[in-house]
Parts: sequence; structure tokens; C-alpha cells
Amino acid sequence: NAGVMQNPRHLVRRRGQEARLRCSPMKGHSHVYWYRQLPEEGLKFMVYLQKENIIDESGMPKERFSAEFPKEGPSILRIQQVVRGDSAAYFCASSPPGPSNYGYTFGSGTRLTVV
Amino acid sequence: GQNIDQPTEMTATEGAIVQINCTYQTSGFNGLFWYQQHAGEAPTFLSYNVLDGLEEKGRFSSFLSRSKGYSYLLLKELQMKDSASYLCAVGNAGNNRKLIWGLGTSLAVNP
Repeated sequence: NAGVMQNPRHLVRRRGQEARLRCSPMKGHSHVYWYRQLPEEGLKFMVYLQKENIIDESGMPKERFSAEFPKEGPSILRIQQVVRGDSAAYFCASSPPGPSNYGYTFGSGTRLTVV
Repeated sequence: GQNIDQPTEMTATEGAIVQINCTYQTSGFNGLFWYQQHAGEAPTFLSYNVLDGLEEKGRFSSFLSRSKGYSYLLLKELQMKDSASYLCAVGNAGNNRKLIWGLGTSLAVNP
């Protein structure tokens, strides 16, 4: 019973390249959330998705960032034309349908470094 | 606005008891969560309170007062491995499951 799987664990990109972060939720979980965590800062909500639907993207920067959760396959967070300020840990979490008394289960995160 | 406040840092001694406070002001409320996060790792779930009172789970307990917008996490018989950041998060009311997070309290347990 694998937990939330994120890959890659570490990602290095040059300025201007694209970064693709993948997240496979826990089995039975249909809700996926993406968070960004900067050093010495808290978790910042980015986007909440269900299969084929973006429910809340109020935390996503208006440009360069996009997310999807297709019918088949993992959720993808895509950052185009990365800049140094995008360097952060990106965490994915998932939760089951119904009341979520146990909060989220987090993946191990992807640490993006833009050089 | 929505705001969650926690102390930035705390220090305690191995074997002691420590209480980490969290106050919140949010537009809705659907429960309060505590998570533990070790450096470089993912947050892990500790506790959930939706009704007033104390929830005890082994060495960890969590308390909630909705009227005061206040919660605390109590850690007993501290161990060195409890050195971590402790995150308070509040769930929005309604169907949106977005959590609003505090910045975390970094706890250092000394021998």
C-alpha cells in the first residue's frame, strides 16, 4: 500500500527551462493538492484537483504555472520558463473522498533548484 | 483576512513536557490539524480536532477552543527525535478542502 509518490525527488533546471513534477496519490484517494514551501517559510497552498477537474487554483501564480490531474496517470505540476525564485520544495498531498478527518497524506516532495 | 499564529521557536529538555500554542482567525472552520515535519521531510499527520476539548494520543495531546480560536499541542516525555517543526492548520468550511497553514514552530529538544 504505497503512500503518495512524488518524482523526481530532486530536480535541477536552468533558468528558462521547464520543470515537470509528478504526483501519484494514495490508492483510493481522489483529491490531490499541491503546496510550495520556501526555506524558513510555511506551506503555501497552490492548487486542489480532482480527476480531470481543477477545484481551486487560487494559490497558483497567474503565469508559467499549470497543474492537471488526468483520468489516467499522475497529477502533474508544470512550471514553464523557470526563474531562480521558483526554487523551493513542492509537496503533493492526497485525501480520500468523503469527510477528511485525517487530513492529508503528503508525498516526500520534489526539491526544485533553478540555477 | 485569515491568519494562523504560532511561536517561531521553542526549546525544551528531554523528558520534559512542552505546549505549543496556535491561534487562528479564519473565515470558516472545518477542523484544526497538527502536523510534524522533520527537516527535509514531508509533514506527517499528528492530530485533528473539530469539537472543543482535549484529544489524547499517546505522548501527544491536542486541545481546541473554537470560541477562543485557540489550540495547543502538548508533547509529554520529550525525546530527542521530537525535535522538528510543528505545523498548525485549519480546514475551510464547505466543500473546499484547502487547509490554511501556520508557519510552524521549530522545537529543539536538548539532552
